[in-house]
Amino acid sequence: QVKLQESGPGLVKPSETLSLTCTVSGGSISSYYWSWIRQPPGKGLEYIGYSYYSGSTNYNPSLKSRVTISVDTSKNQFSLKLSSVTAADTAVYYCARSGSYRGNFDYWGQGTLVTVSS
Amino acid sequence: QSVLTQPPSVSAAPGQKVTISCSENSSNIGNNYVSWYQQLPGTAPKLLIYDNNKRPSGIPDRFSGSKSGTSATLGITGLQTGDEADYYCETWDSSLSTVIFGGGTKLTVL
Repeated sequence: QVKLQESGPGLVKPSETLSLTCTVSGGSISSYYWSWIRQPPGKGLEYIGYSYYSGSTNYNPSLKSRVTISVDTSKNQFSLKLSSVTAADTAVYYCARSGSYRGNFDYWGQGTLVTVSS
Repeated sequence: QSVLTQPPSVSAAPGQKVTISCSENSSNIGNNYVSWYQQLPGTAPKLLIYDNNKRPSGIPDRFSGSKSGTSATLGITGLQTGDEADYYCETWDSSLSTVIFGGGTKLTVL
C-alpha cells in the first residue's frame, strides 16, 4: 500500500521560504506525477504544481514565480519550496500522487499545517 | 480563468439520493476528465470518481459520476451519516495548463 508523509516546519516567518518534503513508501516514485496541493483554513483546495519522476515540472501560474518542486528518486522523496511567504500562504499542505499530469490524485498524504507568522 | 462552480451546500435524509453539480464557463470540463474527491472532517481528500465516471477500488457503487457539456455531476444514493463531508470536483484547465478544483460542497445528511 502506497503511503505519503509530509514533513517540515510548522511555522515560517513572513518573507522566508517554506520547505516541505514528502516521503513515499510502499511503492516506487518512478512513473508517476508528484504534486503539492494546499488548503487554507476553512477554505477549498488549491493546486500548487507537480514534478514528474524524471524531473519535469508544472506549476500553477498564480504561484509559479515562487514555487519549486523537485524529486529525489534515490530517497523516494519529493519536495516543495515556496519563497517570499506571507500570511496568505498559511494552509494545510498535502502531497499527492497522480498517474496523469492532468490531475486524478489517487494517493494523498495526511497533510501538514504551515503557519506563516512572525 | 476557468472557474468550477459547485453549490456551497446540499442536504438530504438518510437513505435518500443527492446530486452535486460542478459547472464552468469554459470548455475544460467538456475537453478533459473530471475527478471527484470526498474530504471527511479533519482528513485528507479521498479520490471517489476519476475519468468522469470510474470508481477506484473500494469505492462503493452508491457513488457515481457523469458529465454533459460544461457540467459534471456526482451522485450519491443510499445516503449514510458517514457520507457527511466536503466534496470537490477537479479537472484540467487547458488554457492555463494547470489543475483546477471546484470550491467544494458540504453535504449534510439530516
